[in-house]
Amino acid sequence: EVQLVESGGGLVQPGRSLRLSCTASGFTFGDYPMSWVRQAPGKGLEWVGFIRSKPFGGTTEYAASVKGRFTISRDDSKSIAYLQMNSLKTEDTAVYYCTRRGGIAALDYWGQGTLVTVSS
Amino acid sequence: EIVMTQSPATLSVSPGERATLSCRASQSVSSNLAWYQQKPGQAPRLLIYGASTRATGIPARFSGSGSGTEFTLTISSLQSEDFAVYYCQQYNNWPITFGQGTRLEIK
Repeated sequence: EVQLVESGGGLVQPGRSLRLSCTASGFTFGDYPMSWVRQAPGKGLEWVGFIRSKPFGGTTEYAASVKGRFTISRDDSKSIAYLQMNSLKTEDTAVYYCTRRGGIAALDYWGQGTLVTVSS
Repeated sequence: EIVMTQSPATLSVSPGERATLSCRASQSVSSNLAWYQQKPGQAPRLLIYGASTRATGIPARFSGSGSGTEFTLTISSLQSEDFAVYYCQQYNNWPITFGQGTRLEIK
């Protein structure tokens, strides 16, 4: 059974940093690209970023709203994807979901999400 | 950036009736369009990908159609568990973008 479990969320002050982790199981993690999607309280879904699998270079793409502040990485030996968030702003407050981009290119599995609150 | 526009924002339908949700892209996304369902307090779930292919385990009452810029999600006979928020998403171009969602509520 495919499972994605996010961790690392919490309350953080504006301007500070936070790193989220997504621990995967039930599939060959290194074969799949991974994405992060966020959802501000009461709002819709916003794509944050994406990391390709290592055979495709392990390169990344980001939304304009986070580019230069957020970094996605992966450790295939541990089946973990990371979202490093720097220079956090109040508008980054959201539930952050880790997702798998399936072979069909859509986001076929989602974690339960972790809440990040940016507030002083 | 491709803007995805969903309509209506809220749709009120009685159980057993058909629901039709629309999604329009600001430029062609070919058939690289997915639909997701989200219930309160839960993560989204993939329903449809490639504009018309049901994801694993999705009931046949869910169907998707369209290509280019106009897409439709149809739920043929609404069950109580179908009342939720539905999002379309294009994955044809970076950045990936979602529609703002359609809330399907019980009439």
